[in-house]
This record gives sequence, C-alpha cells and structure tokens, in this order.
Amino acid sequence: QKEVEQNSGPLSVPEGAIASLNCTYSDRVSQSFFWYRQYSGKSPELIMSIYSNGDKEDGRFTAQLNKASQYVSLLIRDSQPSDSATYLCAVIQTGNQFYFGTGTSLTVIP
Amino acid sequence: ETGVTQSPTHLIKTRGQQVTLRCSSQSGHNTVSWYQQALGQGPQFIFQYYREEENGRGNFPPRFSGLQFPNYSSELNVNALELDDSALYLCASSPNGGRAEKLFFGSGTQLSVL
Repeated sequence: QKEVEQNSGPLSVPEGAIASLNCTYSDRVSQSFFWYRQYSGKSPELIMSIYSNGDKEDGRFTAQLNKASQYVSLLIRDSQPSDSATYLCAVIQTGNQFYFGTGTSLTVIP
Repeated sequence: ETGVTQSPTHLIKTRGQQVTLRCSSQSGHNTVSWYQQALGQGPQFIFQYYREEENGRGNFPPRFSGLQFPNYSSELNVNALELDDSALYLCASSPNGGRAEKLFFGSGTQLSVL
C-alpha cells in the first residue's frame, strides 16, 4: 500500500468551474498535510497547509482534512487556465519524513 | 522564487560514474532535504540534514550520500550511477530546526544517465 495515494487524472474542468482534488494517506498518526502545485518542468510550489480537521480557505483554494477517514482534499474555485498544473499531496508521516503522492494533473479549459 | 538555488540545472553522465549536486538554502533556513522525482512520479525523500548531520533517510542505497556545510548549503553525491538514477533531483530547505515542516524547493537538477 502506498503511503499517499492520489488519482493521477488527468482532470479537466472548464474555466470558472470548481476543481476537486483528492488524496488518502496510510499513517493514522500523521499531523501535517500539504498541497503543492507543480507546473511542467518546474519545481513544486507550496500552496496550502492544513493541520486540523475541517476546512481551511485561502483565496480561491480550500483544503479539507478528515483524519478519521485519512482523507485530504483541495478545492479550487473559479478555476483559471493558469491553474493547469500537477497538484501534489504531501503528508508528514512517522519518522519525520515527507511522503508525496504521484500527483493529479489538472487542465482548465478556457 | 523560493531563494533555494541548485546547480547545475542539467547534467549528463554515463553509467558507473559519480555525480555531485549542490544546493544553497534560503536565508534563515537551517534544514535541507533532498528528493528524487522520476518522470510522472511524486518526489521521493532521499535524506535530510540539520546542523551538518543526517537526521532522516528514505529508502535509498548507501551510494546516495550527502553533506551539509556550516552555512547550511548542501551536496548530494551519487556513486556508481545506474540508468534508473535518471530523474529530477530537488533540494528543499525549511526553517524548523530539523523537524519536517513546510518545504521550499529549488528549481532542481535534471540528471540523465546514459
């Protein structure tokens, strides 16, 4: 079982729609969760962090965490073509290590 | 831009050779970690350095080794290169005293092993 799992996509949404990205993780004691955006040929860029159950909003982005279900999600409202990228879910698990999912490729269609 | 710089940006080596990749951390960041990202995959943790000591290691063989210097910059060394070592190597720095926390990535070194 992989430590962090994401649907690889590709996920396509029309401009202005809500994009929903999902992630599950294996280590029940994980406390820190992150979403990174990676444009093609570039390095990952931190866009959201979340540590407590519930929702955390930052502009058009909302991260949702459910520790009981070991589930993290990212919602992107009013999606823009510039949001087209690969989104990586990352979790700090036992051993003080980051584990990344394989990423979900998002395309926003103008 | 994160302030984390890596060199070189691209490198081509042949199987069996050795390579050294370099990273300068963002100002004020004392922890450096290295990741390997194969095409179509997420970054995989190689190791982390804090106060010039390795304080975490992923599932990579001993031919992957590293250093951290007093100014917090770091090197990744890979001996006896294999074809599967071809990947993007990412350095990340963080300010949190050796604890895994928010990572700020450099632009990476693309290594090709022929």
